[in-house]
Amino acid sequence: DAGVTQSPTHLIKTRGQQVTLRCSPKSGHDTVSWYQQALGQGPQFIFQYYEEEERQRGNFPDRFSGHQFPNYSSELNVNALLLGDSALYLCASSSMGLAAYNEQFFGPGTRLTVL
Amino acid sequence: AQSVTQLDSHVSVSEGTPVLLRCNYSSSYSPSLFWYVQHPNKGLQLLLKYTSAATLVKGINGFEAEFKKSETSFHLTKPSAHMSDAAEYFCVVSGMDSSYKLIFGSGTRLLVRP
Repeated sequence: DAGVTQSPTHLIKTRGQQVTLRCSPKSGHDTVSWYQQALGQGPQFIFQYYEEEERQRGNFPDRFSGHQFPNYSSELNVNALLLGDSALYLCASSSMGLAAYNEQFFGPGTRLTVL
Repeated sequence: AQSVTQLDSHVSVSEGTPVLLRCNYSSSYSPSLFWYVQHPNKGLQLLLKYTSAATLVKGINGFEAEFKKSETSFHLTKPSAHMSDAAEYFCVVSGMDSSYKLIFGSGTRLLVRP
């Protein structure tokens, strides 16, 4: 089992550009959540996808959007990048059927730097 | 709304001495609580979780945490620190909406002195 995988590992963009980050969930998981971790802070919830739909969204602007594919993999898109978008972006997978008590498995993250 | 507060941003211990990382939570409901560890340049790993069963929860690598409702605390402990325990530790509460999103504390950096 490869666990949760994310690509790319690192990314450097300039202000105003657009970026797409990718995530493949752990085998058997159907739910993908995205988190942003700024330097020196705890991760913050961006949104969650289940059955190819956004189920919940955190306090992030519409510049942040996502998608889930039929194979449960997911993309995070960020438009009009700002310097403040520089962060580690973490993907977590879980199984919706196990309700609140299931563990969310995290990928290694994508380090985005906006210049 | 759910939230967690980690009371120490940095904790420094000597190898072989006990570890105590403090966490207080706020929740309108009986919460699900977790401790995650993040080693440098690595993803988050679950240490342990509390889900309204036993109040003393044992996790991996010798860590344990005790849920104390009267004190709204969920402190993480380990009897004897190892050099490999040096990392960032996050106390986490699960949101009670349908996403069960994780709400992280600000983290505690554990330093282990030889």
